[in-house]
Formats: sequence, structure tokens, C-alpha cells
Amino acid sequence: ELKVEQNPLFLSMQEGKNYTIYCNYSTTSDRLYWYRQDPGKSLESLFVLLSNGAVKQEGRLMASLDTKARLSTLHITAAVHDLSATYFCAVEFPPNTGNQFYFGTGTSLTVIP
Amino acid sequence: KAGVTQTPRYLIKTRGQQVTLSCSPISGHRSVSWYQQTPGQGLQFLFEYFSETQRNKGNFPGRFSGRQFSNSRSEMNVSTLELGDSALYLCASSLVDGLLGYTFGSGTRLTVV
Repeated sequence: ELKVEQNPLFLSMQEGKNYTIYCNYSTTSDRLYWYRQDPGKSLESLFVLLSNGAVKQEGRLMASLDTKARLSTLHITAAVHDLSATYFCAVEFPPNTGNQFYFGTGTSLTVIP
Repeated sequence: KAGVTQTPRYLIKTRGQQVTLSCSPISGHRSVSWYQQTPGQGLQFLFEYFSETQRNKGNFPGRFSGRQFSNSRSEMNVSTLELGDSALYLCASSLVDGLLGYTFGSGTRLTVV
């Protein structure tokens, strides 16, 4: 059974601090996606990582992918309150078909002023 | 550019009834996927359509069905509703098999009473 595990599940951090969210998955896949969800809202695409070693950055967020380790990270730099949300990683399966995602459990991030 | 449009936004149904949800993808997107989101099970894949063909189906009972029309619009149907079907149903569309990611709609929140 394909598993996608995120940790931590809950993260409370102070503004200005750095932290990393981890996403481990159990299948072979070259594609990994990160999404953000605000309460009561839909999913907003953050990053699409399409190959081993891919690194993408947008503002205070940076995502990376290590397909050999089956690990992706979402690094938060100098957190601000606006980053408070739930973050999901998703792995595509069957691989490289874009057919369906298996989502992680989500990491609920709260940034405290 | 219009996003993914889901209708209705909210729905309340009684156990045993059936329901049809609609999704209009971004213009030009031919792949449409459906997901169910609940607090207990998280985000789970229902099915994916491409050019009117169901390419993949998740692990849901046969009460859940869908279809895609020639204009790429998609509908999903749930028959004989159960209390456990209460969830946020999200539709996502993609241009080319997820290479550019999937764009999610705002969702339909279904409550079964």
C-alpha cells in the first residue's frame, strides 16, 4: 500500500524562525507536489518537483526532492503570520502519468507573532 | 483566466438520496480528477478522466461514479448517500498529465443528514 507521511503533523513557530516540513513516501516516483490549504478553502499549488534533485523557491518557501531517499522537504525561512495554513505534499501514482495523487496527512502550521 | 469551477458550493442531502456534483475545468485542460476530503481520512482520490475516459479509479464503493463530457466538464454522482459521505469534494484539472501541476476548484461541501 502506497504511503505518504508528513511530519510534523502540527507545527507552531514564532515569526522570524526557520523550520522544515518532511514528506516521506513509499513508492517510486519522480514527481512530487506541494499544496497549501487555508481553513475552509481549496488547495493552492505551491511547487511541482519533477526530478531527483529538483529545488524550487518562492518567497520564504523552498522545496526539494530526493527521489532516491523518497523524501521531499519544504523549508520555511523567517516565518511570517501569513504562512499559517495546512501544507500537503502529494505523490503521483502510477508514476509519471499525472493520473492521481496520494496526499500526505498534512502539516498544520501556525506562525505566532 | 477562469479557474476550476465547482457547483454547487454547499449541499445538504438526506441519507438514501443521491447527489450530482459538477466541475468545469480550466479552458484547455482535458484531465479532471476528483478527491474527497474528510477530517478522518484526509484527501483521497476518487477518479480521473481524460478525454471522456476514466483512466483511474480510487478505492471507493460503486455508489461513487463519474463521467466527463466532450467539453471536458465532469460530473460525479453519489447514490444512496450515507452519513459518512459528508465531506468536501474537490475537483482538479490539468493541462498535460500534471507536468504543470493540478489546479483545484473551491470544492463542494456535502452534508448528509
